[in-house]
Amino acid sequence: QQQVKQSPQSLIVQKGGISIINCAYENTAFDYFPWYQQFPGKGPALLIAIRPDVSEKKEGRFTISFNKSAKQFSLHIMDSQPGDSATYFCAASMRGAGANNLFFGTGTRLTVIP
Amino acid sequence: NAGVTQTPKFQVLKTGQSMTLQCAQDMNHNSMYWYRQDPGMGLRLIYYSASEGTTDKGEVPNGYNVSRLNKREFSLRLESAAPSQTSVYFCASRPPDSSYEQYFGPGTRLTVT
Repeated sequence: QQQVKQSPQSLIVQKGGISIINCAYENTAFDYFPWYQQFPGKGPALLIAIRPDVSEKKEGRFTISFNKSAKQFSLHIMDSQPGDSATYFCAASMRGAGANNLFFGTGTRLTVIP
Repeated sequence: NAGVTQTPKFQVLKTGQSMTLQCAQDMNHNSMYWYRQDPGMGLRLIYYSASEGTTDKGEVPNGYNVSRLNKREFSLRLESAAPSQTSVYFCASRPPDSSYEQYFGPGTRLTVT
């Protein structure tokens, strides 16, 4: 059972546009919601994370929006650039669950065309 | 400080052959993980190790074994490779003060023919 559901599977955006990736979860015990970025041929790397008591977190052109009542969160990439082309994974973590505490979405492949 | 390293980068096996994927981290992390990545399926956890001397099954452990040799090293073994194990394999480690940050290696691309 997928703990975190992610959509869309792939996304094509024009340079300068806004990229939006959505995720949903059911388990209210999750305590952090990170996003990972993976460039082709590389391993994923942490991009940005949010706590469930915050509705929005912004780092540069990347913003997480969090809707606790709907159990949904999304990543917005403003002014998307070709260098943002990568696969993005949302995730949810659960403190106190031991070492196996991070659950990933299935990923979104973003392509930004010039 | 190399972070998480994996060897080899690429490997081609014939069905039934065995091999070991090596992973090492130099960040003094206790928790280490092995994932496989397949198109449309995201990152699926194969095995993990909370500390030296302990290992546990993840979501897709069948056909694999692991060894936590010491705090630094966590290896993944395929005893009898099958075409269904064609995938990209990632090793990761997690610092003790974070519940959500994992550091990933560069991956091993494995093809089983």
